Amino acid sequence: EAGVAQSPRYKIIEKRQSVAFWCNPISGHATLYWYQQILGQGPKLLIQFQNNGVVDDSQLPKDRFSAERLKGVDSTLKIQPAKLEDSAVYLCASRRQGASDTGELFFGEGSRLTVL
Amino acid sequence: EDQVTQSPEALRLQEGESSSLNCSYTVSGLRGLFWYRQDPGKGPEFLFTLYSAGEEKEKERLKATLTKKESFLHITAPKPEDSATYLCAVQSYNNNDMRFGAGTRLTVKP
Repeated sequence: EAGVAQSPRYKIIEKRQSVAFWCNPISGHATLYWYQQILGQGPKLLIQFQNNGVVDDSQLPKDRFSAERLKGVDSTLKIQPAKLEDSAVYLCASRRQGASDTGELFFGEGSRLTVL
Repeated sequence: EDQVTQSPEALRLQEGESSSLNCSYTVSGLRGLFWYRQDPGKGPEFLFTLYSAGEEKEKERLKATLTKKESFLHITAPKPEDSATYLCAVQSYNNNDMRFGAGTRLTVKP
């Protein structure tokens, strides 16, 4: 099966600018996650979607971060305005559903954001 | 709150020198404990899932074990290509989130 696709792979912006990341999960995976991974740390969940509904966004800084998954397939994560501390890799992951769900998450290669 | 602590933060081994990585966890209602490998510039890649205490899984030079409080990833006779960051994560029945540790950065010198 084709993997999780993310773009762009790299982005450099000035603080207070905006940025958007795109993710296309594995076909048929209903659950989609966005994680933030700061250098030297493990991934931290930002938001989880089940189809096009939000399951958990408790750790999403909603004053500057937003995410959507309009048709239950691909998703966009936006940051506006960006802060220096948003410099990180943004990982998208998806998960199987139903009887074949083992809990395993399938990750994309990530989008590396540098805020100057 | 679910917590995952990995040790050591970094580990340097000579090729062929076996060792173990530790993952201590607290979770209410463990659905699964996961080990992932992450290479620089890549997303985490799935290695193992362990569901209950006493369970063991093996893959090539790697063996994962699970107790009620911790998991170990044993690396037997490692090779330089085993160099990576190894992430441990737990998933509970209470939610669908996967809580990650900070990882152990493994370097295997030839």
